[in-house]
Amino acid sequence: GAVVSQHPSWVICKSGTSVKIECRSLDFQATTMFWYRQFPKQSLMLMATSNEGSKATYEQGVEKDKFLINHASLTLSTLTVTSAHPEDSSFYICSARPDTGKGTQYFGPGTRLLVL
Amino acid sequence: AQSVSQHNHHVILSEAASLELGCNYSYGGTVNLFWYVQYPGQHLQLLLKYFSGDPLVKGIKGFEAEFIKSKFSFNLRKPSVQWSDTAEYFCAVNEGTGFQKLVFGTGTRLLVSP
Repeated sequence: GAVVSQHPSWVICKSGTSVKIECRSLDFQATTMFWYRQFPKQSLMLMATSNEGSKATYEQGVEKDKFLINHASLTLSTLTVTSAHPEDSSFYICSARPDTGKGTQYFGPGTRLLVL
Repeated sequence: AQSVSQHNHHVILSEAASLELGCNYSYGGTVNLFWYVQYPGQHLQLLLKYFSGDPLVKGIKGFEAEFIKSKFSFNLRKPSVQWSDTAEYFCAVNEGTGFQKLVFGTGTRLLVSP
């Protein structure tokens, strides 16, 4: 149980294009999901907290107009990197917290984005 | 703001050696504590967690961790490591209320030599 999927697992795009990444909780409902960014050999940096039915809460320094988050249902959150640039190349990871839990987050496999 | 410190960035052990990875956090209120593991090329997996009760918690694959409130610590231990334990280990903490966003430590990269 508690499986989280991400799609795509990797994507290469041209500078200036937008990329959408999906995060799904496969066997549980999650009102709250989280989006992280992981740089090589570094820890996870929380970008934003995604809440079903309301606006996402962004961490300080994260541009909400650049990283659009939509939490359309209790099992799906999407992150859209708009007008991507090479510095947006990174490993993006989502997590979901079951509504019937005490705070444990379950992580997706990540999406590697390369912007040329 | 909360912060999590993992003092060992790289640890190299031989198989069968004992392991202890340090984790300290800074937050005076109620916290939930986690250890996650990331095997090479794989996603983060939950090793164990502490919410309340017995401060010595046991997780998967023979790992355990002890919550010492007075020391703000949650160290991870394993009596005898295996080559397959080679991975990166992350300590994480969240507040016991609210959105419960996780704050991660910087990670410890463990290499177990056969």
